[in-house]
Amino acid sequence: SQELEQSPQSLIVQEGKNLTINCTSSKTLYGLYWYKQKYGEGLIFLMMLQKGGEEKSHEKITAKLDEKKQQSSLHITASQPSHAGIYLCGADITGANSKLTFGKGITLSVRP
Amino acid sequence: DGGITQSPKYLFRKEGQNVTLSCEQNLNHDAMYWYRQDPGQGLRLIYYSQIVNDFQKGDIAEGYSVSREKKESFPLTVTSAQKNPTAFYLCASSRSGGSGANVLTFGAGSRLTVL
Repeated sequence: SQELEQSPQSLIVQEGKNLTINCTSSKTLYGLYWYKQKYGEGLIFLMMLQKGGEEKSHEKITAKLDEKKQQSSLHITASQPSHAGIYLCGADITGANSKLTFGKGITLSVRP
Repeated sequence: DGGITQSPKYLFRKEGQNVTLSCEQNLNHDAMYWYRQDPGQGLRLIYYSQIVNDFQKGDIAEGYSVSREKKESFPLTVTSAQKNPTAFYLCASSRSGGSGANVLTFGAGSRLTVL
C-alpha cells in the first residue's frame, strides 16, 4: 500500500487561479518535505514542515501541516505557467531522519 | 557552484549487461541516495549511504549494487539480475543528522533504457 497518498493525481488550472494539492498519511509524519520536478529533471526542494499546525510561505506558495501531523496541503495563489510541473511530497515516517518516503506526485498544468 | 552531477544523462543497454551510473557531489554532504522513478510510481529508494564505506538497502535494492569509497561519489550498478531496469534514476545528497538530513539536493537524473 502507498504510505503517502497525494491528491488529486493531476490538475489543470487556468492561469491566475488558486489551487490546493494534498499529501496524506495514515502514520505520523515526523517531517514533511515538498519538492517540485520538471519532467525529465531532478527535484527541487520547496519547503519543510515539522511541527503540527506549522505553515510556511514562499512567494505564492503556502504549505501547511495539520495538527495531527498526518496531512499536508500546498496552496498556490494566482497560478502562473512557471508553477507547472510535478509536485511530490516526501516524509520521514520513522523519525530517524535517515531517509524519505515519497508520494507518487501530482502533475500540475497551468493554461495561459 | 556546488551541486550533484549525474552521468550519463541517457544510457541504452542490452539485456544481460551490467551498467554503472555515476553520481558525484561537491556539497560536502555526508549522505547520498539513489532513487528510481517510474511513470505514476513516484520515487522509490534503492540504496542510501550516510557515511563513507557504509550503505544500506532501500525498498527496492534487488538487482542493484553500490559503493561508497569516497565522500563525493556514490555510483550505482544496475546488474543483469534487475528484471525491469528501464527507468529514470535520481541521485541525491544531504547533510547528515537533524531535520536537515532530509533536505535533499538532487542531480538531473539518468534515463536508462534496456533494448
